Amino acid sequence: GAVVSQHPSWVICKSGTSVKIECRSLDFQATTMFWYRQFPKQSLMLMATSNEGSKATYEQGVEKDKFLINHASLTLSTLTVTSAHPEDSSFYICSANRQVGYTFGSGTRLTVV
Amino acid sequence: RKEVEQDPGPFNVPEGATVAFNCTYSNSASQSFFWYRQDCRKEPKLLMSVYSSGNEDGRFTAQLNRASQYISLLIRDSKLSDSATYLCVVNSNNNDMRFGAGTRLTVKP
Repeated sequence: GAVVSQHPSWVICKSGTSVKIECRSLDFQATTMFWYRQFPKQSLMLMATSNEGSKATYEQGVEKDKFLINHASLTLSTLTVTSAHPEDSSFYICSANRQVGYTFGSGTRLTVV
Repeated sequence: RKEVEQDPGPFNVPEGATVAFNCTYSNSASQSFFWYRQDCRKEPKLLMSVYSSGNEDGRFTAQLNRASQYISLLIRDSKLSDSATYLCVVNSNNNDMRFGAGTRLTVKP
C-alpha cells in the first residue's frame, strides 16, 4: 500500500533553533502534500498545502516565514520550523492524497525546550 | 462555529457494548466523508469512508445525512482493541481535509 515516510519521529531542540521535518512518498508520486499540527487532546489542524514545484498555500494564521515548506520533487516535501519556541511544541504530521484515500506519515513529535 | 464538530466524549463502555458517535459539519459543499482512528501518539488511520447510502464494514456502520449535515459511526460488540480516538473527517471540494476534534473511546473488560 501507499506509504509516506516521515522523519524524524521525535525531536527535542533548544529554543531559537530550526528543525526540519521530511515526508517522502515511497511508492507513489505526491504532487500535493498536506501538513497538519495537533496539540494535545485537540484536532489535527491544517497548516499548509504544499504543491510540487510551486509555493505552498498556508492556512490563515499560519506564519509562512516561520513554517517553511519546500516541495522540490514529487516524492519529498519538507517542513522547517524556524526559530522554534516552546509554543511550537506539537505533533506535526503530513498527508498525501491517493486515489484510494489519504495516507499519513507517522508524525513528528517536536518538543522545544 | 467549527467546521467539523464531534461528540466530546470520552466514552467508557464495557466489552460487547454498542456505541455510537456523531459528527456535524458546516460546509454544505463538502464532497466526501471519512472516519479515521487515531491511537495515542500515532498517525490517524482510515477506518472507513462514509457513503450517502450508508455502509457497513464488519462491526462498524457509518451513515451520512447530507440534509442535516450529519455523520455517524456505530460500533457493535466493542472489543478492547477498539479503544482509540475516532476522528470525523470531511473533505471539501478544494480537496483539503478538515478534522473533528475526535471522540475518545475506552472499552473496558
